[in-house]
Amino acid sequence: DAKTTQPPSMDCAEGRAANLPCNHSTISGNEYVYWYRQIHSQGPQYIIHGLKNNETNEMASLIITEDRKSSTLILPHATLRDTAVYYCIVRGANTGNQFYFGTGTSLTVIP
Amino acid sequence: GEEVAQTPKHLVRGEGQKAKLYCAPIKGHSYVFWYQQVLKNEFKFLISFQNENVFDETGMPKERFSAKCLPNSPCSLEIQATKLEDSAVYFCASSEQQNTEAFFGQGTRLTVV
Repeated sequence: DAKTTQPPSMDCAEGRAANLPCNHSTISGNEYVYWYRQIHSQGPQYIIHGLKNNETNEMASLIITEDRKSSTLILPHATLRDTAVYYCIVRGANTGNQFYFGTGTSLTVIP
Repeated sequence: GEEVAQTPKHLVRGEGQKAKLYCAPIKGHSYVFWYQQVLKNEFKFLISFQNENVFDETGMPKERFSAKCLPNSPCSLEIQATKLEDSAVYFCASSEQQNTEAFFGQGTRLTVV
């Protein structure tokens, strides 16, 4: 079952905001939305997560729609080091808390 | 430790040989997860533990894969009689509680020849 849908690739100019969308229309009320990224073949790096409210940390902002069926990850000032595959993940609260990875969005930050 | 430590980084096995991968979760984290990344971008969940107890093993191939998390020892993932299709990067992650973020290790790249 595909839990999330993301565009396969996106480009962003260096210094601009990168807005990465994600659809999760079948999300349950107690499932969290997580964002991770993978640079080259390194281990996935945690970015941010949320349930209902918008969240912000030192790396990014997460905007979740009121119906929770979609969300957007915002990198406010993209740098070349932000080039990576970004995964929007719905975490199963009742099934071992496993992370349901989709196929991600390959973000390329262009100089 | 402050990060998830996976060993070895690379492992090469002949078809039919055993492979054993290790994962030391972050100290104080109760949950451990194993994932398999075969093709670029595709992660497959294998198994999760709460302390030394299996929490969810719905992704584990029944026949050749086994995993353990014993007290005071690294967690392990063992593949008996490896096959070519087992070639993948295996990631381990740990989290403190059920709904807290999980931190991933750098993975073990298994190549079956």
